[in-house]
Amino acid sequence: DGGITQSPKYLFRKEGQNVTLSCEQNLNHDAMYWYRQDPGQGLRLIYYSQIVNDFQKGDIAEGYSVSREKKESFPLTVTSAQKNPTAFYLCASSPRTYETEAFFGQGTRLTVV
Amino acid sequence: RKEVEQDPGPFNVPEGATVAFNCTYSNSASQSFFWYRQDCRKEPKLLMSVYSSGNEDGRFTAQLNRASQYISLLIRDSKLSDSATYLCVVNPLGGTNAGKSTFGDGTTLTVKP
Repeated sequence: DGGITQSPKYLFRKEGQNVTLSCEQNLNHDAMYWYRQDPGQGLRLIYYSQIVNDFQKGDIAEGYSVSREKKESFPLTVTSAQKNPTAFYLCASSPRTYETEAFFGQGTRLTVV
Repeated sequence: RKEVEQDPGPFNVPEGATVAFNCTYSNSASQSFFWYRQDCRKEPKLLMSVYSSGNEDGRFTAQLNRASQYISLLIRDSKLSDSATYLCVVNPLGGTNAGKSTFGDGTTLTVKP
């Protein structure tokens, strides 16, 4: 079945550690996105990528980094520079045209302990 | 002012009620619009696209008013299973923002017996 897979589902991080969230899709979509969602709030864009080896900052990129070495994969690293990383992280993908919706992975819930 | 604004929630309605949500957007060049449903602690899932002529899917009706720059979602005969947060999503016109969706903060609906 085609879809987007995020792992892990739950992640605990100690203060000062970097952690990497995985996102893989087999939908052959060009565009991939990372969003952050805090309780009671909407989604905020961290980074997005429209093609391999290219990505752009979203609204809240500080403290995060990404790579897009393969079309299928768009991992997100939450660095120690991100001061408040506890949140629900959602990866999405879509075809490149603007007329189409995005498909989401099941999310990773990151907690700093 | 936010690019996409939704009715503040929560909406608490009895089963069988009709409820409507509105969403306004600021970018008059926006071309495509969607309603997503998000259950608690889950990923958003597409509920319906919003077409210029309006569209209906069972108990759900979506409408677009370009002149006033808002979209609406009407739910008739509410069911307990309709309880969720409803997100309004706007894709801006292409160019440098191609493929980057803008999400509203969501409106929470609780349907009670």
